[in-house]
Amino acid sequence: EVQLVESGGDLVQPGGSLRLSCAASGFTFSSYSMSWVRQAPGRGLEWVANIKPDGSEKFYVDSVKGRFTISRDNAKNSLYLQMNDLRAEDRAVYYCARNLRGFDCWGQGTLVTVSS
Amino acid sequence: EIVLTQSPATLSFSPGERATLSCRASQSVSSSLAWYQQKPGQAPRLLIYDASNRATGIPARFSGSGSGTDFILTISSLEPEDFAIYYCQQRFNWPQTFGQGTKVEIK
Repeated sequence: EVQLVESGGDLVQPGGSLRLSCAASGFTFSSYSMSWVRQAPGRGLEWVANIKPDGSEKFYVDSVKGRFTISRDNAKNSLYLQMNDLRAEDRAVYYCARNLRGFDCWGQGTLVTVSS
Repeated sequence: EIVLTQSPATLSFSPGERATLSCRASQSVSSSLAWYQQKPGQAPRLLIYDASNRATGIPARFSGSGSGTDFILTISSLEPEDFAIYYCQQRFNWPQTFGQGTKVEIK
């Protein structure tokens, strides 16, 4: 069974940092591009970042460039999102998703709250 | 950035009715468009990829059409479990973007 499990969400103060993780199983992780997609409470979906299968290319939405870093460890079947200088507007549920011709597999999400 | 516009924000139907949802792109995305369904408290689920291809396990009552800038998601006969929010998404270029969603509610 294809499965993605996120972890690492927490309450953090503005300007703080957090690292999200996503553990993949049930498929050949190293063959797929992977993304982070977020959803603020009561709002729509926003793609955040993408990484190619071998990690050679990374793409970000403008609002997180220079603050967030996507990475992966194919040996550990894991995806990461390092989030620095967090702002109130980063508050959201963060999903990891497999990115093929669309996001065909999603995790259950992890909640990031940014508040003092 | 390509902007996807879904209108209207909410549609009301009775079970068994046919639903047609619209997604318009601010510039051509060729056929690089997907549709998702999201229910409260759940992650989105891929329904349609590349404008007209059903994802694995998606019932035949869901179909997609269109290319370029105008796309349609059709649900031929609404089942009770189909009342949800539907999003379109383009992967034609970066950043990949989503529409703001259309809520399909029970009339």
